[in-house]
Amino acid sequence: DVKVTQSSRYLVKRTGEKVFLECVQDMDHENMFWYRQDPGLGLRLIYFSYDVKMKEKGDIPEGYSVSREKKERFSLILESASTNQTSMYLCASRSPGTGRTDTQYFGPGTRLTVL
Amino acid sequence: RKEVEQDPGPFNVPEGATVAFNCTYSNSASQSFFWYRQDCRKEPKLLMSVYSSGNEDGRFTAQLNRASQYISLLIRDSKLSDSATYLCVVNRNAGKSTFGDGTTLTVKP
Repeated sequence: DVKVTQSSRYLVKRTGEKVFLECVQDMDHENMFWYRQDPGLGLRLIYFSYDVKMKEKGDIPEGYSVSREKKERFSLILESASTNQTSMYLCASRSPGTGRTDTQYFGPGTRLTVL
Repeated sequence: RKEVEQDPGPFNVPEGATVAFNCTYSNSASQSFFWYRQDCRKEPKLLMSVYSSGNEDGRFTAQLNRASQYISLLIRDSKLSDSATYLCVVNRNAGKSTFGDGTTLTVKP
């Protein structure tokens, strides 16, 4: 079974703080993703990485950066947290393939509140 | 217009009912299609892939119509445990996926 873990389930930070969200997967997947999920807006892609040290902007990268120094770990960084970044953050990993193998496995999510 | 659109529902059905969800997508170059299930306050999990020929997994049937750019999910003999939000997912090129906002299903006794 693929396992994707995230460092925290709940996090409360103050405006202006630097925030690190960590994600680790144990299936040697090349592709990893960070999404945020908000009511009425669904899941939106922030950044993704298709290999170590490689990253691509998703649909809403503003205010975020990422780091992928090791294959199993993908970090999301909020350089200066703002209240509009209060959200559920979901990490996912995927092994490239087609059809049945082209699926994403999600971590449990981190619910971040910025005060 | 959103790239992937779903009827948000909610769909409230009695146990044993048959319920169908539709999803439309706008990018004709989309390559692969999935239904995910998300329980309240949990992460999404893959329910099933969707193939052009249609595919079935127990009580669940998924279909894809590329010409009309929609996919569907049919649930037969609904169970209480089917209550969840169902997400339509379309994979674009370059490894990106677009998720629909989800359709909420509540199955009542």
